[in-house]
Amino acid sequence: GDSVTQMEGPVTLSEEAFLTINCTYTATGYPSLFWYVQYPGEGLQLLLKATKADDKGSNKGFEATYRKETTSFHLEKGSVQVSDSAVYFCALSEGIGSGYALNFGKGTSLLVTP
Amino acid sequence: DAGVTQSPTHLIKTRGQQVTLRCSPKSGHDTVSWYQQALGQGPQFIFQYYEEEERQRGNFPDRFSGHQFPNYSSELNVNALLLGDSALYLCASSSEYEQYFGPGTRLTVT
Repeated sequence: GDSVTQMEGPVTLSEEAFLTINCTYTATGYPSLFWYVQYPGEGLQLLLKATKADDKGSNKGFEATYRKETTSFHLEKGSVQVSDSAVYFCALSEGIGSGYALNFGKGTSLLVTP
Repeated sequence: DAGVTQSPTHLIKTRGQQVTLRCSPKSGHDTVSWYQQALGQGPQFIFQYYEEEERQRGNFPDRFSGHQFPNYSSELNVNALLLGDSALYLCASSSEYEQYFGPGTRLTVT
């Protein structure tokens, strides 16, 4: 079945460092891809999404590009802040629209130190 | 506008008992999904309700059941609790293109 694999954490970075969190997927069709973020004690929040190949999702300085040829959707940010410390989840759904179930990776914990 | 709300926040139950968790969707959302998030893992899809019917179901046993009410709020019921059911249970309500998650209910089974 469809699945997502993301790099294991924890990832520890100094403030203003460059961030990459790798995510690859396996899917039979043309999934939509997402990054969600979970801050301590809070629910999941959608960070960005892409619904077709070569789409780039972006939000709050984070970016990810849907790469069909490498089945990847890596999350990047040029300069992280302490407030970015959270757990990041890569996810996919079978199609466009919220009626599809989300299939999540295991999450990558990010800690940004001053 | 209130977001997705869930109750209770925390719950402790004994193995073999039954539990009911509640979710109120974001205003205007008619679809509710439930996810189970074990410690250190990503959320796993349990089922989705739309128009008071179960529309999709993940790979969870029949001990997990749900209900959606005419006002779109939803309940998740788990019977015959096992220690492995200890997790954070997340509810999400949907607009056309995005699922909005609640803060979750932390269930501990002892």
